[in-house]
Formats: sequence, C-alpha cells, structure tokens
Amino acid sequence: KAGVTQTPRYLIKTRGQQVTLSCSPISGHRSVSWYQQTPGQGLQFLFEYFSETQRNKGNFPGRFSGRQFSNSRSEMNVSTLELGDSALYLCASTAIGDTEAFFGQGTRLTVV
Amino acid sequence: QKEVEQNSGPLSVPEGAIASLNCTYSDRVSQSFFWYRQYSGKSPELIMSIYSNGDKEDGRFTAQLNKASQYVSLLIRDSQPSDSATYLCAVTSGYNKLIFGAGTRLAVHP
Repeated sequence: KAGVTQTPRYLIKTRGQQVTLSCSPISGHRSVSWYQQTPGQGLQFLFEYFSETQRNKGNFPGRFSGRQFSNSRSEMNVSTLELGDSALYLCASTAIGDTEAFFGQGTRLTVV
Repeated sequence: QKEVEQNSGPLSVPEGAIASLNCTYSDRVSQSFFWYRQYSGKSPELIMSIYSNGDKEDGRFTAQLNKASQYVSLLIRDSQPSDSATYLCAVTSGYNKLIFGAGTRLAVHP
C-alpha cells in the first residue's frame, strides 16, 4: 500500500513568487492536513481538508491557501513568498473514523 | 504557556537502557495522543497512539497517559543507537488538527 506522496521534494523560489505543493494521500484516506516545520517554530498546523471542504485552519496569513480534489489529492499554495516561508511543508492523511495521521516525505521550500 | 510542552533534551542514554520521554498538554478536552519519531532530515513517523488512561505497549515502546495530570509519556526499553532521533508528542485539537510539542532529542550511545 503506497504511503503519502508529496511533490516536489525540493523547491527554490524567489521572494514575491508563488508556489504550489501537491499531496496524494494514502489510498482510501479522505482527510488531508498540511503542516509547516521550521527550526524556530517547530511543526505548525496549516489546514485540514475532508471531502473537498476545509474543516480546520491554523493561524497563518491568507497567503497560505489550499484545496482538495474529488480524488482526495490536495494542493497548497503560498503567494507572495517571503524569506520566512522557507520550511519543510508536510502533508498527512487520515482514514475516515480514525485519528492517526501519516506523513509524507515533505517538500523542502527555500525562498531566496 | 505552550499547548504541548516537552523537554528539548538532548536526553542521552546508554545502549540497552530505558529512555523516558515526557510531555504535558494544556487542553483538557484533547482525546487522542501520539508519539512521532523524526530522524534528521526526514518526516515524522507515527510510533504510538493512546486514547485512554493507563499504559499501552507495542514492542519496546510503552505509552502512558494520565488525563487528570494532562501528562503523556513514552518509554523505550532496550534502547538502541538506531533509536537516536527527535521524539514529538502530539495531541488532537479539532478535526484532525495535531498540536505538536517542540520535540525531545534522544541520543543513545553504545
């Protein structure tokens, strides 16, 4: 059974640009959550989607957005990139009726 | 006060010893509690989940939960150098939202 797949694995972007990250959950999982991990702030929750609906949102500016498609794949977008957005972005999927979250390999974003 | 607190370590234990990792949380309504292991440069890996007071054992790992004291712990028996990693405590808050502690770095030396 394939795990959570995130693409791309690494990205380098320039300040002011925008970026889109992709996440394919474990087959059958319909909940996808996104997290940002930085050395200073640790792992922080961005948002969660279930059946194409955002059910929960963390304390991040509106530049961070996401969506989920009917096949449960999810994307997150960051617009007007800032240096402080450099981080490891992690996606996790959860099965219906469960609470255990399984993480993908992450996308390492560097903003220069 | 942080929502989930862990001692950042490093916690250094000799090979074969028991490593004890602790975590406290502030939200009394939290229902699900998890321990993740994260190797340097890798993503978090779920190693234990616990939902009710008491102990839960899985191989060399034992998770302990005390909701009255808002305390979760992880014991690793017969610690191995391969257990050297950062251990993250997480609690649920709302729909599949995990609040993580800062993590405890564990170093197991031969």
